[in-house]
Amino acid sequence: DTGVSQDPRHKITKRGQNVTFRCDPISEHNRLYWYRQTLGQGPEFLTYFQNEAQLEKSRLLSDRFSAERPKGSFSTLEIQRTEQGDSAMYLCASSQARSLTDGDTEAFFGQGTRLTVV
Amino acid sequence: EDQVTQSPEALRLQEGESSSLNCSYTVSGLRGLFWYRQDPGKGPEFLFTLYSAGEEKEKERLKATLTKKESFLHITAPKPEDSATYLCAVRVFPSGSYDKVIFGPGTSLSVIP
Repeated sequence: DTGVSQDPRHKITKRGQNVTFRCDPISEHNRLYWYRQTLGQGPEFLTYFQNEAQLEKSRLLSDRFSAERPKGSFSTLEIQRTEQGDSAMYLCASSQARSLTDGDTEAFFGQGTRLTVV
Repeated sequence: EDQVTQSPEALRLQEGESSSLNCSYTVSGLRGLFWYRQDPGKGPEFLFTLYSAGEEKEKERLKATLTKKESFLHITAPKPEDSATYLCAVRVFPSGSYDKVIFGPGTSLSVIP
C-alpha cells in the first residue's frame, strides 16, 4: 500500500452535470476525510467517516454534495448539478483512530482531484 | 469560533537565510497541532504533530515548536527545494461533537538560489 489514492486526478465538466470522485485510503486506516481547497487557501473540511459511519458533515456543504463509504474501505464524493463555484481541488485523507471519542493519528493526504466546472 | 491564522502570507528567502513561520490559533479543546508541506498541484505532505506547550520536533532543516497560543516552524539554512506552501492545522473537540481538524490558510515560501 503506497498511500492514499484518488481518482480521477483531473475532471472538467459542464455546469449542471454530476461528477463522482473516488478515494482509496491507506488500508489499515479507519478514518477517511474529504476536504476542498481553492487557490491560496488551506483545505476546508467537508465530511469524514469512521469505518462506514459518516460522523461529521460541514454546515457549508450543500445538499448537492453527498459522500459514501459503503464497506468502510474506499469512499466516493458526488456533486450533483455542478456550479462554477464548485471548481476546486478535492482532497481525501485517511488516519487511524483508536475510538470515536479518541483523537486519531496524523492524516495522510492523497494527491487530490482537480475539478473545473465550465 | 475556532480559528487558525498563519503569517506571513508569503515569504521570500535567500538560500541559507534562516527564518520562522507562525501559526496562531484560537480554539477550545486543542488536541494536537499539525504542520504539513504542500507543493503546487499536490496533496499536503505530513511533517510534524505537536501535542503540548513546550514540545519541539525536528526534521532536517525544519523545527516546529508549540506554545499555548501559537506554533512556529523554524527553517534553518533553507534550500530552493524547501520552496512550498506550509500549512498548519489544529485538532479540536467541540462540545457535543466529534473531533475536527481545522487548517490555516498557509504560508507560501520561496527560497531563491
